[in-house]
Amino acid sequence: AQSVTQLDSHVSVSEGTPVLLRCNYSSSYSPSLFWYVQHPNKGLQLLLKYTSAATLVKGINGFEAEFKKSETSFHLTKPSAHMSDAAEYFCVVSVGVSGGYNKLIFGAGTRLAVHP
Amino acid sequence: NAGVTQTPKFQVLKTGQSMTLQCAQDMNHNSMYWYRQDPGMGLRLIYYSASEGTTDKGEVPNGYNVSRLNKREFSLRLESAAPSQTSVYFCASRRGGSTDTQYFGPGTRLTVL
Repeated sequence: AQSVTQLDSHVSVSEGTPVLLRCNYSSSYSPSLFWYVQHPNKGLQLLLKYTSAATLVKGINGFEAEFKKSETSFHLTKPSAHMSDAAEYFCVVSVGVSGGYNKLIFGAGTRLAVHP
Repeated sequence: NAGVTQTPKFQVLKTGQSMTLQCAQDMNHNSMYWYRQDPGMGLRLIYYSASEGTTDKGEVPNGYNVSRLNKREFSLRLESAAPSQTSVYFCASRRGGSTDTQYFGPGTRLTVL
């Protein structure tokens, strides 16, 4: 069965330092993987998506993620955190469902705090 | 182009009351989804509609019903609300076919007393 594990429920960094949010997935075939961000009291915004075209995926706001099949990981990184990055981040795997449509399986989320 | 819209934004119900959450998308997407978000659990799929005229259960369908009114609109109904249904509800849509990116609405925060 497909699943997603976000290894840290909370991450705290100082402004200007690197961000690493870790995600491992389980999938019986080559998956589509996403990172979504949710700012407080807001909806979910797509950060980036992996679809097998390239293992390093660049997203919005300076974020990127690297797909490592051997490690079944899809960690999210940013070289330098900004105060506005404080939010909850969800790693998501897309799974196929009979009939040609799909559904998303969400990790539990990682809350990122950024300190001055 | 508003994307995915949801009404209401906030709602407080008493146990046993009913209500309908509305969702509409203007992107001409084929598939629509309802999720609930609870602390520490990410989002869980309640129901989905692969295309107009079809609906299917997701992970947590008990206590809910849905209607795909037309291609644009997908509503979620709570017939007899329970405190366990206190949650934030998100609607999402997807173009369909091989495209698997879903686009989310702003959410409805529901409290059942």
